[in-house]
Amino acid sequence: NAGVTQTPKFRVLKTGQSMTLLCAQDMNHEYMYWYRQDPGMGLRLIHYSVGEGTTAKGEVPDGYNVSRLKKQNFLLGLESAAPSQTSVYFCASSYSSTGKGQPQHFGDGTRLSIL
Amino acid sequence: AQKVTQAQTEISVVEKEDVTLDCVYETRDTTYYLFWYKQPPSGELVFLIRRNSFDEQNEISGRYSWNFQKSTSSFNFTITASQVVDSAVYFCALSEVLFSGGYQKVTFGTGTKLQVIP
Repeated sequence: NAGVTQTPKFRVLKTGQSMTLLCAQDMNHEYMYWYRQDPGMGLRLIHYSVGEGTTAKGEVPDGYNVSRLKKQNFLLGLESAAPSQTSVYFCASSYSSTGKGQPQHFGDGTRLSIL
Repeated sequence: AQKVTQAQTEISVVEKEDVTLDCVYETRDTTYYLFWYKQPPSGELVFLIRRNSFDEQNEISGRYSWNFQKSTSSFNFTITASQVVDSAVYFCALSEVLFSGGYQKVTFGTGTKLQVIP
């Protein structure tokens, strides 16, 4: 049972380059999320999706785009990477809303460095 | 607005000591969920426990126990007889209760790094 799988696990980019982070879950979860984790700031929500074909902005969406073309996949794109986007990125999924008590299941994270 | 405070940034204990991780929250809602997650050195976040604001019973799971006190807006986590494998960053999180469809914001604390020294 893979759970939530993120690829890649590590990446170094130059300023201005673009890339896509892939998140795949095999638990048939409706909700998916992208967070970034920075020292001393906990987890901050970038974008989320409440179902296939839907996405919405979280706390810190600027500089990122997402797509949820298939229920099991949630892609996070950086169109023009900036050093401020150096972070650890986590994808998560949940069966339904955390407001119904559903816990989030997290991937292993992607360490992204922007030079 | 929701807020979760984990005032202890780092804690070090010697193996077999008991340790309590504090979590204090703020919310205007009368109903909400609280969560604890563990992030071991390998990096992934692992769900530990969920608590509904209506249920103030404490919970024990092996060496882990949770003390929920609505009167003080706290949801503290105690590890009894700590082990090296308990070394991790622990996050407390808060979510409003959903009464309709859609997304409910989850607010995470900044985490407490626990180091258990052998």
